Amino acid sequence: NAGVTQTPKFQVLKTGQSMTLQCAQDMNHNSMYWYRQDPGMGLRLIYYSASEGTTDKGEVPNGYNVSRLNKREFSLRLESAAPSQTSVYFCASSAEGPRTGELFFGEGSRLTVL
Amino acid sequence: AQSVTQLGSHVSVSEGALVLLRCNYSSSVPPYLFWYVQYPNQGLQLLLKYTSAATLVKGINGFEAEFKKSETSFHLTKPSAHMSDAAEYFCAVSNQAGTALIFGKGTTLSVSS
Repeated sequence: NAGVTQTPKFQVLKTGQSMTLQCAQDMNHNSMYWYRQDPGMGLRLIYYSASEGTTDKGEVPNGYNVSRLNKREFSLRLESAAPSQTSVYFCASSAEGPRTGELFFGEGSRLTVL
Repeated sequence: AQSVTQLGSHVSVSEGALVLLRCNYSSSVPPYLFWYVQYPNQGLQLLLKYTSAATLVKGINGFEAEFKKSETSFHLTKPSAHMSDAAEYFCAVSNQAGTALIFGKGTTLSVSS
């Protein structure tokens, strides 16, 4: 059972470089999310997609863009990486909205921006 | 706006002792509340959730939580800690639109033998 798959698992960037984090789920879920996790800050929502074709900003969207490519895939793009974007990024999905549904998380992508 | 506050960033207990992890919430609508657990180098997984059906919620691995509206609390407990319970625990509340979860800052649980 693959669940939620994130690539890459590790990435080192230089300031100003761009990159895309990929996320795919095989559970036929409608909703997908991108969170970042920083020490002492918990998880903060970057963007989410309640259904295919829709995306909405979360708490910390600045410096990021997202694409809900299809029902399975939800990518996160950093156009010009900054050291403040050094973090662990988690993708998650849920069948319904999280109010009643459970979020399923990927294993995370560790990004370092030098 | 919806938010959760976890009291204590680090809790240490002995094996066999009671585990109590505290979470208080703020919500402008009836809240949906969750506890998630994260083991080292892994993603989060659901422990339990409160969705207004019952105030005492039982989860996996012997954990339970009680919703107390008067105290705006949703504390997580386990009667007897096991070494395998050592992890980071997150309390979360559904946002007002019900479209995403807002997480607390987390509490790291250490269990000593």
